[in-house]
Amino acid sequence: NAGVTQTPKFQVLKTGQSMTLQCAQDMNHEYMSWYRQDPGMGLRLIHYSVGAGITDQGEVPNGYNVSRSTTEDFPLRLLSAAPSQTSVYFCASSYSLALSQETQYFGPGTRLLVL
Amino acid sequence: SQQGEEDPQALSIQEGENATMNCSYKTSINNLQWYRQNSGRGLVHLILIRSNEREKHSGRLRVTLDTSKKSSSLLITASRAADTASYFCATVFRRGYQKVTFGIGTKLQVIP
Repeated sequence: NAGVTQTPKFQVLKTGQSMTLQCAQDMNHEYMSWYRQDPGMGLRLIHYSVGAGITDQGEVPNGYNVSRSTTEDFPLRLLSAAPSQTSVYFCASSYSLALSQETQYFGPGTRLLVL
Repeated sequence: SQQGEEDPQALSIQEGENATMNCSYKTSINNLQWYRQNSGRGLVHLILIRSNEREKHSGRLRVTLDTSKKSSSLLITASRAADTASYFCATVFRRGYQKVTFGIGTKLQVIP
């Protein structure tokens, strides 16, 4: 299994540009989520999904869209990039919401710089 | 706002010593997890402790949970240089959907 994969690893955008961060998992996990990590802020939840076709907002959803058309993929879209979105983005997944299945598996991250 | 807050934010110890990190949280939880992050990498799950458990061990790791004080501690015994990393606690609360909230982390440096 490849686990959780993220692309790209690095990206530089200009203010106002849009882009999609890709996330895929091959473990048949129901639960997927996106976090951003900023110095001194820890990880903050952007959006999450409990299964195909179901998404919900996390702590910092503004400026981001997600969709979950398949179990495997959970892309994060930046509609109009702003310098405040400069961060490291992590995608994570876990098997289900059932007890003993909440361990999250993280991707390697995407470093985004918005100029 | 962040649910978990780790203490201390940075810790430097000599190889062979024990390292203790603490995590405090604000609301009820279903379980609490500890993760490790090496520089420039994603987070790796270390251990999970449920709200009805008080202590859990995994190799050189010992985790305690005090729900009355809303706090947890992670003890790494006989530390090694390879333990150098940032450590995060994450609280899991489930009401309908699962919400996982991370603290800001403790940066541990183990000096050989």
